[in-house]
Amino acid sequence: GEDVEQSLFLSVREGDSSVINCTYTDSSSTYLYWYKQEPGAGLQLLTYIFSNMDMKQDQRLTVLLNKKDKHLSLRIADTQTGDSAIYFCAESISNFGNEKLTFGTGTRLTIIP
Amino acid sequence: EAQVTQNPRYLITVTGKKLTVTCSQNMNHEYMSWYRQDPGLGLRQIYYSMNVEVTDKGDVPEGYKVSRKEKRNFPLILESPSPNQTSLYFCASSSRQGAYTFGSGTRLTVV
Repeated sequence: GEDVEQSLFLSVREGDSSVINCTYTDSSSTYLYWYKQEPGAGLQLLTYIFSNMDMKQDQRLTVLLNKKDKHLSLRIADTQTGDSAIYFCAESISNFGNEKLTFGTGTRLTIIP
Repeated sequence: EAQVTQNPRYLITVTGKKLTVTCSQNMNHEYMSWYRQDPGLGLRQIYYSMNVEVTDKGDVPEGYKVSRKEKRNFPLILESPSPNQTSLYFCASSSRQGAYTFGSGTRLTVV
């Protein structure tokens, strides 16, 4: 079955690195995604990683994937106040053409000045 | 500008009064989906569509209907809304696996 888990809250001091963790259960997932949701807005795709990759870096963002442990993390370097948001981990499972995303509950990132 | 447009942004209605939330995308995407977001539950898929006239149920389809008569539009219909359908709804579209573009959301309250 599909299940994606995240911790609900994370607080980080401005300038430090934030690490948001996610675990998933479905080993048939092909892509794993990180989405960002700012207050009152929809979800914005931040980055994604193909399931046969271990790491992907994109400017301040680093995604690490441990497929054996089904663990995904998002590291945000030099965290800024504009990074305050809810971050959703999602796995993509193609099921007879349904391009379905299964989302975690989201991690609310709070930046401490 | 490439976008997914939902309307309305906010809606308060009464139990049993039929309503439609519209969704339109201008990116010529094949895939479209509706999700609802509830506290502590993340986003759950209601219905999806692979292309025109092809729709199917997601994880929580009860009480909802959809249609896909044109590629750009994917309305969500609540024939007889109930209070447990009070939620934040998102429409999304994609041309390939999982990289969905989301609308800004529709906050629905059913009293």
